[in-house]
Amino acid sequence: AQKVTQAQTEISVVEKEDVTLDCVYETRDTTYYLFWYKQPPSGELVFLIRRNSFDEQNEISGRYSWNFQKSTSSFNFTITASQVVDSAVYFCALPNSGNTPLVFGKGTRLSVIA
Amino acid sequence: ETGVTQSPTHLIKTRGQQVTLRCSSQSGHNTVSWYQQALGQGPQFIFQYYREEENGRGNFPPRFSGLQFPNYSSELNVNALELDDSALYLCASSQQRGTEAFFGQGTRLTVV
Repeated sequence: AQKVTQAQTEISVVEKEDVTLDCVYETRDTTYYLFWYKQPPSGELVFLIRRNSFDEQNEISGRYSWNFQKSTSSFNFTITASQVVDSAVYFCALPNSGNTPLVFGKGTRLSVIA
Repeated sequence: ETGVTQSPTHLIKTRGQQVTLRCSSQSGHNTVSWYQQALGQGPQFIFQYYREEENGRGNFPPRFSGLQFPNYSSELNVNALELDDSALYLCASSQQRGTEAFFGQGTRLTVV
């Protein structure tokens, strides 16, 4: 069965610091997708990225970047120059198998202090 | 293009009662999934509907049931509510199975 581990339960940083959120996954699928979602205090899960396992290139979107390493089954997320608005719970996820819904990690709560 | 909307946003029920939660999927999306998120945990998959038929179910008892309507909106029904059913219930819609899912703001259910 698929499994996602986010070992960091809570992280606290000072504004403008860089922070990396770790995600390690287990899957028996040879091809799969990986996702990151952000959950602000309002509760809605905000989609951040979907990555195909074929594509191991790092991706950058503004202050966000993702490092996918298939050899270590990791898909880490870095926020550069963190801001208070980045404070949220971040979830890593992958589909249960094929096209079926998502298996989530337990999340990492990020607090950015001004 | 409207996003995923859920109603109500908050709800308080008594143990043993029944509850219905509603979700309107994003325009053009034919797949709806429901998740339960307990405090401090990641969302747990309840079930998924594709073109009005259930096509996947997580480890939840039969008292959790659902429907999807021709306009792809959906309902989650929970019978015989238990205290442990207190959670945030999230609905997600996607354009087709396997693509990124977009979530609503959730319904926070409290069972007392």
